[in-house]
Amino acid sequence: EIVLTQSPATLSLSPGDRATLSCRASQSLGNYLAWYQQKPGQTPRLLIYDASNRATGIPARFSGSGSGRDFTLTISSLEPEDSAVYYCQQCRSWPPYSIGQGTKLEIK
Amino acid sequence: QVQLVESGGGVVQPGGSLRLSCETSGFTFSSYGMHWVRQTPGKGLEWVAIIWSDESHEFYADSVRGRFTISRDNSKSILYLQMRSLRVEDSAVYFCAKELLLPAGSTGYFEHWGQGTLVTVSS
Repeated sequence: EIVLTQSPATLSLSPGDRATLSCRASQSLGNYLAWYQQKPGQTPRLLIYDASNRATGIPARFSGSGSGRDFTLTISSLEPEDSAVYYCQQCRSWPPYSIGQGTKLEIK
Repeated sequence: QVQLVESGGGVVQPGGSLRLSCETSGFTFSSYGMHWVRQTPGKGLEWVAIIWSDESHEFYADSVRGRFTISRDNSKSILYLQMRSLRVEDSAVYFCAKELLLPAGSTGYFEHWGQGTLVTVSS
């Protein structure tokens, strides 16, 4: 089973800052990785798939990069509504479709 | 627009059973792989099961294999999860999720999610 480790666990930044979230896999994923955003009281929303492709309707300030074992989600200029928990998920080797433990992003 | 509406959650004793349903609309249900994903405060998000669009294959997480059964009715656009021999650790919000479909074919990404249904296993 592939294990995904996200860091940091919590990130506290100000509006306008740049956020960098990391996801490391226990095995190579190629580019088969997605990022999701879950705001309080809401369901997860697909942001990025295949490591770097934005899903429909996702603002350009969200970008994904990486391949192999190391991946990054970057939010270029934070807005207050970006406060959420962000998860990475792999579909390179399944079952199971592993999901990381999440990074909580707080906007000060 | 795409809608996924789960139902069937509730409180059940350990060893009991529940059947969850996910009624869908706004897309061609029979063309998409469908998943169940659950979420607990302590363990975060956990993928549970997938069923292919044509019902030909099902796969399960180790934690539920042999106890849970995923199924679908393509004529009614409904996804199901039959849960048996429930354990306290199965307590969670259960989401159904529709796969992202690309020109190249099915992916393992969850493009749309329902609002979830809460399952509580407790004596």
